Amino acid sequence: AQSVTQLGSHVSVSEGALVLLRCNYSSSVPPYLFWYVQYPNQGLQLLLKYTSAATLVKGINGFEAEFKKSETSFHLTKPSAHMSDAAEYFCAVRKGAGNMLTFGGGTRLMVKP
Amino acid sequence: GAVVSQHPSRVICKSGTSVKIECRSLDFQATTMFWYRQFPKQSLMLMATSNEGSKATYEQGVEKDKFLINHASLTLSTLTVTSAHPEDSSFYICSARDDGHTQYFGPGTRLTVL
Repeated sequence: AQSVTQLGSHVSVSEGALVLLRCNYSSSVPPYLFWYVQYPNQGLQLLLKYTSAATLVKGINGFEAEFKKSETSFHLTKPSAHMSDAAEYFCAVRKGAGNMLTFGGGTRLMVKP
Repeated sequence: GAVVSQHPSRVICKSGTSVKIECRSLDFQATTMFWYRQFPKQSLMLMATSNEGSKATYEQGVEKDKFLINHASLTLSTLTVTSAHPEDSSFYICSARDDGHTQYFGPGTRLTVL
């Protein structure tokens, strides 16, 4: 069975600093990986997805993630944090062409002025 | 991008009443939709998979008679919380899967049962 681990339930960065949110997965088959963002009292918005094409995936709002099979990781990065990036971020894995997503526990990103 | 709506966004009801939540895919057809529940400061928990024209598939521990799901069309799935109790208070989020197997999420419905 596939699973997702997000290291760090809370991450705090200064405005303008690098954002790094960690995600490690376990899957016996090549995974489909996703990052979603959730603002307070809202649903989830898709940031980016990896579907076995390019290992470096660019998403919306300046975010990108790199799939590293050797490390079973799919970390999310952004070169320069904005105050508006403060939100909850979820990494998710979907096994092959199946329907179900398995979510990580989420990481709350706080951006300090 | 693909848009999914939910209605209502917030509902408060008395214990024992039933509440219906609608999930609509606005600009694409979705043969499969999903219903999640999210507790404060926690991740999403999949409740059930809703398939157009057939019965929903419920996750272990989710009462199908308590949480009725109807996926009557390719753009609409409904979740009815029957005989709601305070412990059913939660944030309910739906998603719809497009042809590329990507899930797009609705804005969520906050249910408060008094």
